[in-house]
Amino acid sequence: DVVMTQSPLSLPVTLGQPASISCRSSQGLVHTDGSTYLNWFQQRPGQSPRRLIYKVSNRDSGVPDRFSGSGSGTDFTLKISRVEAEDVGVYYCMQGTHWPPYTFGQGTKLEIK
Amino acid sequence: QVQLVQSGAEVKKPGASVKVSCKASGYSFTDYAMHWVRQAPGQRLEWMGWIIPGSGNTKYSPKFQDRVTVTSDTSSNTAYLELSSLRSEDTSVYYCARDPWFGADWGQGTLVTVSS
Repeated sequence: DVVMTQSPLSLPVTLGQPASISCRSSQGLVHTDGSTYLNWFQQRPGQSPRRLIYKVSNRDSGVPDRFSGSGSGTDFTLKISRVEAEDVGVYYCMQGTHWPPYTFGQGTKLEIK
Repeated sequence: QVQLVQSGAEVKKPGASVKVSCKASGYSFTDYAMHWVRQAPGQRLEWMGWIIPGSGNTKYSPKFQDRVTVTSDTSSNTAYLELSSLRSEDTSVYYCARDPWFGADWGQGTLVTVSS
């Protein structure tokens, strides 16, 4: 199975400041079809996960443009340009290139400092 | 708008089976794979399997291959997850989530508690 490793696991951030979460995979995530199936999800307290980014850098409809995804190969990053109170929650990366199974990172908990 | 509405919480004894449903609306049910994912308390998300309702094709995680069955009913736009031989470690919130590219929309989750 592809192992997804996130850092940091805990991320205290001051409101209005930027935040960055790293995700590394144990294998390169370029599919034979040329796409890289790396998604980012946000899970607010008590809620279901919500997809923010798909295929590395494509923002989902309704996701604020302060969220951006980047990366290639085995190294990926989710950035929040200016953290707002509603961004509190746990963020997960997930790979869908080498499956079964699809695999997730262990999660990064973002809190307001 | 897309909605995935799951069945209610379940309490089961070890060794029993559980069947969770996920009723879809707001899109063409047969056109997109439906995945099942679980989340044990304090643990990362864990993918279990998917079904393509239009064809009935399924794919499972090797971890659950011998205990899980995913089905769908296109007449009611409902997907189902059945997990057998339950043990305490299966206590989790179970989610359905649809494609494209995994996780475009999620159900509200179903808590399954396994306890004697």
